[in-house]
Amino acid sequence: DSGVTQTPKHLITATGQRVTLRCSPRSGDLSVYWYQQSLDQGLQFLIQYYNGEERAKGNILERFSAQQFPDLHSELNLSSLELGDSALYFCASSLIRDSPLHFGNGTRLTVT
Amino acid sequence: DAKTTQPPSMDCAEGRAANLPCNHSTISGNEYVYWYRQIHSQGPQYIIHGLKNNETNEMASLIITEDRKSSTLILPHATLRDTAVYYCIVRGGSGGSNYKLTFGKGTLLTVNP
Repeated sequence: DSGVTQTPKHLITATGQRVTLRCSPRSGDLSVYWYQQSLDQGLQFLIQYYNGEERAKGNILERFSAQQFPDLHSELNLSSLELGDSALYFCASSLIRDSPLHFGNGTRLTVT
Repeated sequence: DAKTTQPPSMDCAEGRAANLPCNHSTISGNEYVYWYRQIHSQGPQYIIHGLKNNETNEMASLIITEDRKSSTLILPHATLRDTAVYYCIVRGGSGGSNYKLTFGKGTLLTVNP
């Protein structure tokens, strides 16, 4: 158990809808990262937050947004969903920016 | 981030040591070598990391060559539960601006009974 909690574990929704994925980092970890893993793309970095502030952006679509709250949990919002957004979404956390990342077990999103 | 090169797949007999190689010839002086593994659709699991010295923990050993252009992850006594995709990642260290992990395709290690 990495200590990173992601909810929900599974999510099935229709095209055009909006969903929110939630991540609770390990106790004390200040940095949160979001990754997307689809079959054909591998693990892709989306975005990183450190102590509430956005620190790095990767291949995150404009339809996606994220934030880290004062209690350090993070949410990833996906809107106007398309079939191609079906993937595993992982959250990871680290104590400080250059500590090892610890990953949750992901949210499996299926868009129908 | 420096790019890494890993063999796409390897096999290992249960109980034997698994030695997973990684080339990172363009690594910079302040970049660390990290190893993660992913067991079928679970979240990637941190294994070990190092800068230039060899490192060992309860999971594995990491051997980094003196010129730092390659490394080897050693699982001393592989079990069936070690079957996974293993990722070798070069990551910016302290003072760098890039703390994210960039995953490649990794090596699928299959441990056979």
